[in-house]
Amino acid sequence: DIQMTQSPSTLSASVGDRVTITCRASQSISSWLAWYQQKPGKAPQLLIYKASSLESGVPSRFSGSGSGTEFTLSISSLQSDDFATYYCQQYNSYFTFGPGTKVDIK
Amino acid sequence: EVQLVESGGGLVQPGRSLRLSCAASGFTFDEYAMHWVRQAPGKGLEWVSGISWNSGSIGYADSVKGRFTISRDNAKNSLYVQMNSLRAEDTALYFCTKDKDASGSYFDYWGQGTLVTVSS
Repeated sequence: DIQMTQSPSTLSASVGDRVTITCRASQSISSWLAWYQQKPGKAPQLLIYKASSLESGVPSRFSGSGSGTEFTLSISSLQSDDFATYYCQQYNSYFTFGPGTKVDIK
Repeated sequence: EVQLVESGGGLVQPGRSLRLSCAASGFTFDEYAMHWVRQAPGKGLEWVSGISWNSGSIGYADSVKGRFTISRDNAKNSLYVQMNSLRAEDTALYFCTKDKDASGSYFDYWGQGTLVTVSS
């Protein structure tokens, strides 16, 4: 089974900050990685697929990079609407989510 | 507009069964794989089970294998999961999700979830 880890688990930031979240896979997953955003009481929403492709309708301040076992999600200039929990997910072999990274207000 | 509406959740005793349903609309249901993903209270996301467009490929998380059965009815645009031998650790919000592909990739739409509580 492929295991996913994320760091940090919590990130405190201010509006306007550049934010980076790291996701690591226990074995190579090529570029078969997605990122989701979840706000309290809501369903997750797809942000990025295939490691770096931006889902339609997602603001361009979100970007993804990486391949193999190490990936990053970046937010270029954090907005108030971006305070949420972010999950990575591999879909190379079945499906596994990372434990999540909570982005909160500094 | 894609809509996924889950139903069937509730309070159930350990060892009992429950069947969840997901009514899909706004897309051609029989062209896409579908999945169930759950989230225990205050915890992260866990993939539970997935089914390909024609039910030819089915997968389960180890945590539910042998107890849960996923199925779909393409004529009714519906997804199901039969959950048997329920345990306290199955308590979670269960999301129905649409796959981007016919056989399995990432999840581009999610329902709002139905809550399953397993407790005596």
